[in-house]
Amino acid sequence: EVQLVESGGGLVQPGGSLRLSCVVSGLTFSNYWMNWVRQAPGKGLEWVAGINQDGSEIYYMDSVKGRFTISRDNAKKSVFLQMNSLRAEDTALYYCARVPLGPTGDYWGQGTLVTVSS
Amino acid sequence: DAVMTQSPLSLPVTLGQAASISCRSSQSLVYSDGNTNLNWFQQRPGQSPRRLIYRVSNRDSGVPDRFSGSGSDTDFTLKISRVEAEDVGVYYCMQGTHRPTTFGQGTRLEIK
Repeated sequence: EVQLVESGGGLVQPGGSLRLSCVVSGLTFSNYWMNWVRQAPGKGLEWVAGINQDGSEIYYMDSVKGRFTISRDNAKKSVFLQMNSLRAEDTALYYCARVPLGPTGDYWGQGTLVTVSS
Repeated sequence: DAVMTQSPLSLPVTLGQAASISCRSSQSLVYSDGNTNLNWFQQRPGQSPRRLIYRVSNRDSGVPDRFSGSGSDTDFTLKISRVEAEDVGVYYCMQGTHRPTTFGQGTRLEIK
């Protein structure tokens, strides 16, 4: 069974930092792109960042560039999201997800909640 | 960025009736390899999203055949032939052709 388990969310003040982690089991982690997708309370899905198999290709949505950093550790089957200079608008449930372009299935975690508030 | 625009944003449907959701991209979604990377996702209340359709019209494993996708270039459609109670939720299109990946705003399907 494939599992993606996120952790690291919590309450943080504006301007603060958090590091999200996602541990993956049940699939060959090093073969796949990994993504972070977020969903603000009552809002839609928003793709945040993606990283390729060996970390040599990384992409971010515009509003997090320069503030967020995605990384991965294939030995630990983990992907991370370092979030700095957090803003109220970053408040969301953050999902770790494998979302392939082709026929191999997608997998999502249950999400970790980040709340940015004073 | 490729902006994805869905319509309608709210879709009340009678059980057993058909439903259709439109998704339009601000840019062609045909990739250099010839593939069109347009996906459809379903998010049921309280659940994580799951993909229904990849590359415009291909159903994922386990997806009922009442779901179908069609379209090309910039215009795409998700159709549900006979809506069932379990189809309630929000549906999103997502493009993976251009970086960054982008989602549509979502269409909320409810039962009348």
